[in-house]
Amino acid sequence: AQTVTQSQPEMSVQEAETVTLSCTYDTSENNYYLFWYKQPPSRQMILVIRQEAYKQQNATENRFSVNFQKAAKSFSLKISDSQLGDTAMYFCAFVDSGNTPLVFGKGTRLSVIA
Amino acid sequence: NAGVTQTPKFRILKIGQSMTLQCAQDMNHNYMYWYRQDPGMGLKLIYYSVGAGITDKGEVPNGYNVSRSTTEDFPLRLELAAPSQTSVYFCASSAQDSLNTEAFFGQGTRLTVV
Repeated sequence: AQTVTQSQPEMSVQEAETVTLSCTYDTSENNYYLFWYKQPPSRQMILVIRQEAYKQQNATENRFSVNFQKAAKSFSLKISDSQLGDTAMYFCAFVDSGNTPLVFGKGTRLSVIA
Repeated sequence: NAGVTQTPKFRILKIGQSMTLQCAQDMNHNYMYWYRQDPGMGLKLIYYSVGAGITDKGEVPNGYNVSRSTTEDFPLRLELAAPSQTSVYFCASSAQDSLNTEAFFGQGTRLTVV
């Protein structure tokens, strides 16, 4: 079964600084998809960024980028120029191309400090 | 666009009562999920469905039942509610094909069992 591990339960960063959240996963599949979701205090789950395993280029979305290391099964999220609104829980998630469900890590609580 | 609609948003149940959490999506997604999120924790998969008429257990299915008679609806039934089922419940859906793998979430149902 696929598993997703987020080893940092909590992190903090100063406003305007850069922070990196870690995620590792375990799978025997070759074709899969990885996601980072943000959950602010409102509880709404918001997709931050997505990476297809067959793409070598790391995904970027404005201030958010990933470092996808397929051989190491690592998928870290970098947030540049951190803003107070980035304060949230961040979940790493995995799904493969078969009939398997979306699997989440336990989350990292990020606090951006003014 | 309605997306994923969950009802109710809040509910208080007494021990032993039953209820159904409703979930509907209007995106013609084949995959639907139910997760629970305990305070400060990640998302645990309760049940999922890969299409109408097909359901499968997730990580924590005990005490719950689901059905998927249509593509749009995926209700979650709690029989004999217990305090351990106090949680926030999220329904999600995805197309999960090679181009559209993003999962869309409802706004959650906060359930308290007393």
